[in-house]
Order: sequence, then C-alpha cells, then structure tokens
Amino acid sequence: SAVISQKPSRDICQRGTSLTIQCQVDSQVTMMFWYRQQPGQSLTLIATANQGSEATYESGFVIDKFPISRPNLTFSTLTVSNMSPEDSSIYLCSYMWGGSTDTQYFGPGTRLTVL
Amino acid sequence: GESVGLHLPTLSVQEGDNSIINCAYSNSASDYFIWYKQESGKGPQFIIDIRSNMDKRQGQRVTVLLNKTVKHLSLQIAATQPGDSAVYFCAENKGSTGGFKTIFGAGTRLFVKA
Repeated sequence: SAVISQKPSRDICQRGTSLTIQCQVDSQVTMMFWYRQQPGQSLTLIATANQGSEATYESGFVIDKFPISRPNLTFSTLTVSNMSPEDSSIYLCSYMWGGSTDTQYFGPGTRLTVL
Repeated sequence: GESVGLHLPTLSVQEGDNSIINCAYSNSASDYFIWYKQESGKGPQFIIDIRSNMDKRQGQRVTVLLNKTVKHLSLQIAATQPGDSAVYFCAENKGSTGGFKTIFGAGTRLFVKA
C-alpha cells in the first residue's frame, strides 16, 4: 500500500473561521475520500474527491461547508468552513487503488476542536 | 434503511483466548466486506476482506466468516494479544451513483486482559 499522510494532525480553531486539511499519497491513486469520525463513533463519508472535477457529496454534506479539491492523483484538500463547535471531530482521508481491489487505506486523521 | 451494525459495543477477552466480533448487514446486494482495526489516535487499518462469493477467508491469526443467508459477518482473532486491543469496524461496499461507497458499522471495542 502507498503511504498516506495528513496535515495538520490536530488543530484548535475559533468558531467562524475555516481550516484546510491536506492529504498526500506517495503514489498515484484512482479514488480519494474524506470521512468524518465524531468522538467514540463510526466513520461517515463526507465526499468522494474526484480528480479534475467537483467532489461527489453524500447526503447531509454540502460544498459550501466542505469544499474539496483534488488537483492531481496524489493530493486532496478538505476545507471546513465557518466552523462551529459541532464541527469538532476527526477528519480522515482515504484512497483506493482502483482496478480489481476495493480496499480503502486511511490516513492518520486530523483532530479538529472548535471553540 | 440500509445499515451495517455490530451486535456488541465492547468485548473483553483474556490474552491467549480467541476473540469473535460479529456484524450484521442489511443490504443483500453488497458484494464486498472488509474488517478494519482502529487504534487510539490512528486511522482505520485494513485487516481482512471477503467477497460475497466466499464464505470464509483466513489471514494471519484472523478469519472472516460470511453467512449470506442471515446477512452476518464475523471476525475471529486467534490467540488474542494485548496489541489486538482496538476498535474493530466491519464495512460493506455497495453501489451508488457514479461508483460505490463503503458503509461502516458502529464498531466494537476489544479489550485484551493480560
């Protein structure tokens, strides 16, 4: 599997501000995803980051709140906009090689606290 | 609605014993299932997967069983070790517009007692 990293690993932010999380994979991958994991809970898919086109968002998540970029096959960003305390969570990116395998591999996560 | 869920939120086992973590799914159209392990402060780590045309798959110390009749998935860990302490998630892949997505279950926390 490829090495996947996220920056920052954690941050504490003031409400009303925005934070951009970066996700880097050390090989070109077909698909990249962004998840949210609230404390003590499971993972919820936010969106699929599509290279060269707009992300595909899941129900309950919108582009204005969570704009996503994927400029190439190894990099993606997720911005959490106009943050409120309810956005405090762990944000995870993942990738999938594509082809015959459907397995996702996850980054270490970004722990976000909004005051 | 469709869901993937787990029977037990926590499981405590003695070191050296075998662990069994169970999972129920409701989407009979799903054709791929995965178990992930998540340690504190880390992202989920792939453990083992199984496709719907199989009923059993073995890895190193782990076995996944799939019973499509009752839509049940289980993860068996042999000779459980302290390093196995983590939260375990089952997940299913199902099709969606433009591709497919992975749906995660609620998770089971495994405690291994020394």
